[in-house]
Amino acid sequence: GAVVSQHPSRVICKSGTSVKIECRSLDFQATTMFWYRQFPKQSLMLMATSNEGSKATYEQGVEKDKFLINHASLTLSTLTVTSAHPEDSSFYICSAWVVTGGRNEQYFGPGTRLTVT
Amino acid sequence: AQKVTQAQTEISVVEKEDVTLDCVYETRDTTYYLFWYKQPPSGELVFLIRRNSFDEQNEISGRYSWNFQKSTSSFNFTITASQVVDSAVYFCALSEGNTGFQKLVFGTGTRLLVSP
Repeated sequence: GAVVSQHPSRVICKSGTSVKIECRSLDFQATTMFWYRQFPKQSLMLMATSNEGSKATYEQGVEKDKFLINHASLTLSTLTVTSAHPEDSSFYICSAWVVTGGRNEQYFGPGTRLTVT
Repeated sequence: AQKVTQAQTEISVVEKEDVTLDCVYETRDTTYYLFWYKQPPSGELVFLIRRNSFDEQNEISGRYSWNFQKSTSSFNFTITASQVVDSAVYFCALSEGNTGFQKLVFGTGTRLLVSP
């Protein structure tokens, strides 16, 4: 079964509003979580790397004030798209990386499709 | 800088044909990992394989096989006797470092269409 969940799976919001996407590791504590964005028919691009209890590291060109990442626990990271605009419409995918207990695995969530109208 | 190139944007085959998806990568690291993922229309990424830079052995898993050639910086993926359920977008990805699962750099993907 799924080891990383994302909520919601789909969301439609109006321009100017904020949307929060949750990423949870279900049966393990993630060392690190990553957030990717995928525009239609394009590749996945890393947005940021998130570690529990510390500030996220954003990739070049990603606005940290617009895409707020909170990694409050070892099993939960949230991405908030603030003041969303139609160009933020995309497929957002998180992944969780575990490097403990003999494990070294990365698991992807099922993704969240955001549509901004 | 890391880069992954999947030159084939879309491939169409008829069921039972063999098909090879190409992947060429660039990295300055001597330690790195290569991956293939399948993304069906649902959007969820399906992990297929991870290979480290020190293991050049080819791998076969059922109808899937992978050919890793460091000399040409390629990590190609072959599906034998393709099936309609193989229709998806396939991504090749690269991760630098010796821990295997740091941030991934993805290629642009190859859309595979398998018709009956």
